[in-house]
Amino acid sequence: DTAVSQTPKYLVTQMGNDKSIKCEQNLGHDTMYWYKQDSKKFLKIMFSYNNKELIINETVPNRFSPKSPDKAHLNLHINSLELGDSAVYFCASSLFKNEQFFGPGTRLTVL
Amino acid sequence: GQQVMQIPQYQHVQEGEDFTTYCNSSTTLSNIQWYKQRPGGHPVFLIQLVKSGEVKKQKRLTFQFGEAKKNSSLHITATQTTDVGTYFCAGQGEYGNKLVFGAGTILRVKS
Repeated sequence: DTAVSQTPKYLVTQMGNDKSIKCEQNLGHDTMYWYKQDSKKFLKIMFSYNNKELIINETVPNRFSPKSPDKAHLNLHINSLELGDSAVYFCASSLFKNEQFFGPGTRLTVL
Repeated sequence: GQQVMQIPQYQHVQEGEDFTTYCNSSTTLSNIQWYKQRPGGHPVFLIQLVKSGEVKKQKRLTFQFGEAKKNSSLHITATQTTDVGTYFCAGQGEYGNKLVFGAGTILRVKS
């Protein structure tokens, strides 16, 4: 049983397109996160939801919009993709302020 | 804002040698967590330190949290090829919700 799953695993798209990444956790956690990992492996928090409420919203272009339909799901929609959006996006979940469990990542390549 | 610095950026050791990575926060932390990311993989939680001066061991890995709760270290004794990967520290501020990751230390082990 996969604890934190993300789809798709790979995403290759053209500049200007809109795309979504989905995340689901079956751990019963109350908090979910989106991280961006760039080519230098730096992990940066983008968003966090606790019980479906947005609690962390870092300085991220408003082309990025998270949506949490319920505590087990957190999706990320990206409008008007740019070259600089190319990265690996990780979803994670936890009980509030505890250890985080990461999904396998989505490698986004914008051409 | 809170910053977490981690050194060294990169370390290449001979199998059997020891390895240490250091982490420093610009602010006092409520806890610090350590994660390992294998090449091509996702970050995996190793440990959380909460108490001032705390020392925890996991087999060949020793984790320390400084007395001032602003610095931490991870020491691996007698490295093995399975230790290869990037080690991240991540600090949680006293009043904040988010985990701020260090830049990571990439460990390569020569056999």
